[in-house]
Amino acid sequence: DQQVKQNSPSLSVQEGRISILNCDYTNSMFDYFLWYKKYPAEGPTFLISISSIKDKNEDGRFTVFLNKSAKHLSLHIVPSQPGDSAVYFCAASDDNYGQNFVFGPGTRLSVLP
Amino acid sequence: EPEVTQTPSHQVTQMGQEVILRCVPISNHLYFYWYRQILGQKVEFLVSFYNNEISEKSEIFDDQFSVERPDGSNFTLKIRSTKLEDSAMYFCASSEHRGGDTQYFGPGTRLTVL
Repeated sequence: DQQVKQNSPSLSVQEGRISILNCDYTNSMFDYFLWYKKYPAEGPTFLISISSIKDKNEDGRFTVFLNKSAKHLSLHIVPSQPGDSAVYFCAASDDNYGQNFVFGPGTRLSVLP
Repeated sequence: EPEVTQTPSHQVTQMGQEVILRCVPISNHLYFYWYRQILGQKVEFLVSFYNNEISEKSEIFDDQFSVERPDGSNFTLKIRSTKLEDSAMYFCASSEHRGGDTQYFGPGTRLTVL
């Protein structure tokens, strides 16, 4: 039961270019979405979130876009830096202050110098 | 910067044995969580804990699992009788407020059940 999907297991991008990580969900009750970044041997780190009342949220080099009708969100990183190389997880909840998040399988981003 | 710590970093156990995974959350945090990630699979929520009781749990968190905050600093996950399929990375997290955007994760404990 894959309620949150990240169909690209890996992505390689040249330093300085844009990285676009995609996430699709099936549960229409989800209304709060987060992106986490995970380095090897570390726990996930919160990156950016978006509530369903918005379609865009920006924080520095990171922007998350939400298309509710398509049940799709994406994370844009621009410009990409080698330090951005990590696994990125999309997560969703049906509660804005939820504790039970459903995670996607992750996308491994490699930013090449 | 304050951080969540977990011990041990790697635990190897025989099937059927009990294990206790330990976590020290950030000191002023009030909400505590356990997640697991089976190798190659997604991160899965197990349980959240607030005010000395479980506030939410997933269907994975069955009767063989329990959590406890035995003192003011530790938060533990006990697996009573481990199964091979319990082998995973277990992440503890804590937050000052409710909500995923305030959760800080620990580095994880890798549990290997033989």
